[in-house]
Amino acid sequence: DADVTQTPRNRITKTGKRIMLECSQTKGHDRMYWYRQDPGLGLRLIYYSFDVKDINKGEISDGYSVSRQAQAKFSLSLESAIPNQTALYFCATSEGKTRSGANVLTFGAGSRLTVL
Amino acid sequence: RKEVEQDPGPFNVPEGATVAFNCTYSNSASQSFFWYRQDCRKEPKLLMSVYSSGNEDGRFTAQLNRASQYISLLIRDSKLSDSATYLCVVTSPNAGGTSYGKLTFGQGTILTVHP
Repeated sequence: DADVTQTPRNRITKTGKRIMLECSQTKGHDRMYWYRQDPGLGLRLIYYSFDVKDINKGEISDGYSVSRQAQAKFSLSLESAIPNQTALYFCATSEGKTRSGANVLTFGAGSRLTVL
Repeated sequence: RKEVEQDPGPFNVPEGATVAFNCTYSNSASQSFFWYRQDCRKEPKLLMSVYSSGNEDGRFTAQLNRASQYISLLIRDSKLSDSATYLCVVTSPNAGGTSYGKLTFGQGTILTVHP
């Protein structure tokens, strides 16, 4: 089994629908992240969480919300999806105990979302 | 100016060639530097960290130039399997004061190695 698991892997939905992307990890890492990747723009941080009670906005959080249900689970929600949220979404984790560990990310396989 | 910039390429090189990528960063207070590799439609994976003194891992050499604010990745004796997108990652002090800084990704450089 993968260390970081994302579901669903692919999703097509319509404008206005609510969508949840889920992420679970078995690495025991404290820190979890959600990124989106668009061609030519690289990876951009949506939200991050350093522990269950610590959730922070990233550079592009508008239109998204997150929930850290447990140390191992971090879900991303699009309350009302719009076409420009069509992208590849990645969940990632890192440890939080050392500088080197905190800076090394382990990614899930990605969730490809298409909003029509 | 973007915080982290890479030449998007694509770089098309024959097997056995040597190829180098650069990545520039704008924040002089940046602390840590990494190269990740991303295969098509897959997740990024850490390739190597970049140390101040430069470091080598087999055919891959990473260097840091703090004065000019760039890092580089050199691949010698390119293999077909090296074809991928190479992402530069830079950490900077977090304005929010949280520990260990903020990671910023470059947009990636596409490398294609052909027979």
